[in-house]
Amino acid sequence: GESVGLHLPTLSVQEGDNSIINCAYSNSASDYFIWYKQESGKGPQFIIDIRSNMDKRQGQRVTVLLNKTVKHLSLQIAATQPGDSAVYFCADNFNKFYFGSGTKLNVKP
Amino acid sequence: EAGVAQSPRYKIIEKRQSVAFWCNPISGHATLYWYQQILGQGPKLLIQFQNNGVVDDSQLPKDRFSAERLKGVDSTLKIQPAKLEDSAVYLCASSKARGTLSYEQYFGPGTRLTVT
Repeated sequence: GESVGLHLPTLSVQEGDNSIINCAYSNSASDYFIWYKQESGKGPQFIIDIRSNMDKRQGQRVTVLLNKTVKHLSLQIAATQPGDSAVYFCADNFNKFYFGSGTKLNVKP
Repeated sequence: EAGVAQSPRYKIIEKRQSVAFWCNPISGHATLYWYQQILGQGPKLLIQFQNNGVVDDSQLPKDRFSAERLKGVDSTLKIQPAKLEDSAVYLCASSKARGTLSYEQYFGPGTRLTVT
C-alpha cells in the first residue's frame, strides 16, 4: 500500500560529523513533507518542511532534499551535536501524515 | 506562547475499563489531531478536527474510540472499553487552519496509557 517509510532504523555518528537520514515515499500525489524530531518521553517536534515545488530547503544546521523522480527525501544535519540524539520521522500530507517507524540517531561524543 | 496541553500524563487501567484524555491546543489553532503511538513505532493519526468538525477519522476504531471537540477548542478522546493493545502514548497536536502554507503541527507531551 501507499506509505512513507525510513530506510535505516538506527544511525550512529560522531559528534561534529554530518548526519544524513533518508526517507522514501510511494505516492506521487504527496506534495508536502515534514521532518520531526522526537526525544525520549516527549512529543514530536517540527524541524523543517518542504513542498513538492522545491528540491531543497535549508534551516539552521538542517537541510532537506527532495528527489521527486525517485520519491526520496533526506534530512541532513550539519555538525551533529549530542542534543541531536533522537528519533527522526518524516511524514507527508497525503498519506494521513503517516510517520513510519523513524530513524534513531545516536551521537557519540 | 503556551504549547499544547494534555492531561493526564499517565494512566493505568484494567482492560474493559473506560478512559478519557483531554487536550487543549495552542490558542488560535483551528486544526487538532489525535495520534496513537505504540512503543517503537511512529505516531498514527486517529482523528483530525477542523474547528469542531471531523476532517478525517478513517483510522479511528469507532467501536471503542470516540472523540469530540464541541466548541472548536478543547478536545477529549475516549476509549470504552479498553483492550490490552490500546497501551500506547496518545498524542494531541494542533496546527493553523488548512489553506495556510504550512501543516506544521505542534505536539503535546502525550498521555501514556497502560492497560493491564
